[in-house]
Amino acid sequence: AQSVSQHNHHVILSEAASLELGCNYSYGGTVNLFWYVQYPGQHLQLLLKYFSGDPLVKGIKGFEAEFIKSKFSFNLRKPSVQWSDTAEYFCAVNARSGGGADGLTFGKGTHLIIQP
Amino acid sequence: GAVVSQHPSRVICKSGTSVKIECRSLDFQATTMFWYRQFPKQSLMLMATSNEGSKATYEQGVEKDKFLINHASLTLSTLTVTSAHPEDSSFYICSAILVYNEQFFGPGTRLTVL
Repeated sequence: AQSVSQHNHHVILSEAASLELGCNYSYGGTVNLFWYVQYPGQHLQLLLKYFSGDPLVKGIKGFEAEFIKSKFSFNLRKPSVQWSDTAEYFCAVNARSGGGADGLTFGKGTHLIIQP
Repeated sequence: GAVVSQHPSRVICKSGTSVKIECRSLDFQATTMFWYRQFPKQSLMLMATSNEGSKATYEQGVEKDKFLINHASLTLSTLTVTSAHPEDSSFYICSAILVYNEQFFGPGTRLTVL
């Protein structure tokens, strides 16, 4: 079974600061990796995903993430955050062998607050 | 596109009663849907995989007789919490797959059992 660890439970930044949220996973096989965002009062939305190929993936709203296989990590980054980035961020994985129809294993989430 | 709805958004019931939660894919067909549970200030935990036309697959530790899942059509999956107890109070979220490995999530249903 997979497990996901997000190191930062609460992060407070000022606008224009750079962001990096850590995510590590544990699994013996090959995984697909995801970052989801949940804005206040809204449902989960996909920010970006990694299946294979270039380990640096770009998502929506200026976010990117880098898959480092040797470190079992998939950290989320944004060079300059905005107040509207205030939200809950979840890292998630599923097994590549599942044929694309496996449920996700989520990390505990990081609550990001951007101060104006 | 790719909108998933849930109904109801909130439900309060008495202990011992059953509650049905619907999950619909509004603008696409979904062979596979998933049900997750989220406790306050915690992450989402996968409960079961719902496949159209076949039995659901439950995760370890999830009671299949308590959480009945029916995926009757390509746009509807239902979760019925039978004989609900206060410990079943939680936020239940469904998702549906549109394209390979990309899940779209519903807004969730807040269940409170008195």
